Amino acid sequence: AQSVTQLDSQVPVFEEAPVELRCNYSSSVSVYLFWYVQYPNQGLQLLLKYLSGSTLVKGINGFEAEFNKSQTSFHLRKPSVHISDTAEYFCAVSAPSGTYKYIFGTGTRLKVLA
Amino acid sequence: NAGVTQTPKFQVLKTGQSMTLQCAQDMNHNSMYWYRQDPGMGLRLIYYSASEGTTDKGEVPNGYNVSRLNKREFSLRLESAAPSQTSVYFCASRRSRDNTEAFFGQGTRLTVV
Repeated sequence: AQSVTQLDSQVPVFEEAPVELRCNYSSSVSVYLFWYVQYPNQGLQLLLKYLSGSTLVKGINGFEAEFNKSQTSFHLRKPSVHISDTAEYFCAVSAPSGTYKYIFGTGTRLKVLA
Repeated sequence: NAGVTQTPKFQVLKTGQSMTLQCAQDMNHNSMYWYRQDPGMGLRLIYYSASEGTTDKGEVPNGYNVSRLNKREFSLRLESAAPSQTSVYFCASRRSRDNTEAFFGQGTRLTVV
């Protein structure tokens, strides 16, 4: 079975500062990894995904994430955040074989301060 | 192109009442999912349907039933609502396991009093 851990429930950061949101996963098989963003009162939308190949993945809005198999991590980074990045961010995992489950972490609320 | 449509957007129920949350997608996706979102707990998978004609339990299925009516529609039923089912419910769909992005509806905010 797969699981996802997001250790930081809230991350405050000043505008134009860098940010890292942490995600660790657990799985006995190879996985696909994702980051989604949820703005207030909206559904989730995909930021980026890792399927295979290069471990550094670039997404929308200047975000990127790095897949680290040895540390079972997929941390999300942005070098300079904007007020508009204030949202909740979810890490998710699915498997390319076996179960069709699509499992999410508990989310990290990013608050960008002026 | 509507994507994933959920109805209703808001609902208040009394304890013990029943209701069905509707979800429809127009992207010809094979897999569909129901999640609930609660503060501090993220999105928890209630039920999913890998393909038309199949449904499986997720992480928190107790108190819910689902129906995959056809390829487009996947409904979630609360037979006897409880205050613990107060939550925001999201439906999502994916084309297949290999096409891995999930598309989400706007959510249904359900309050059980």
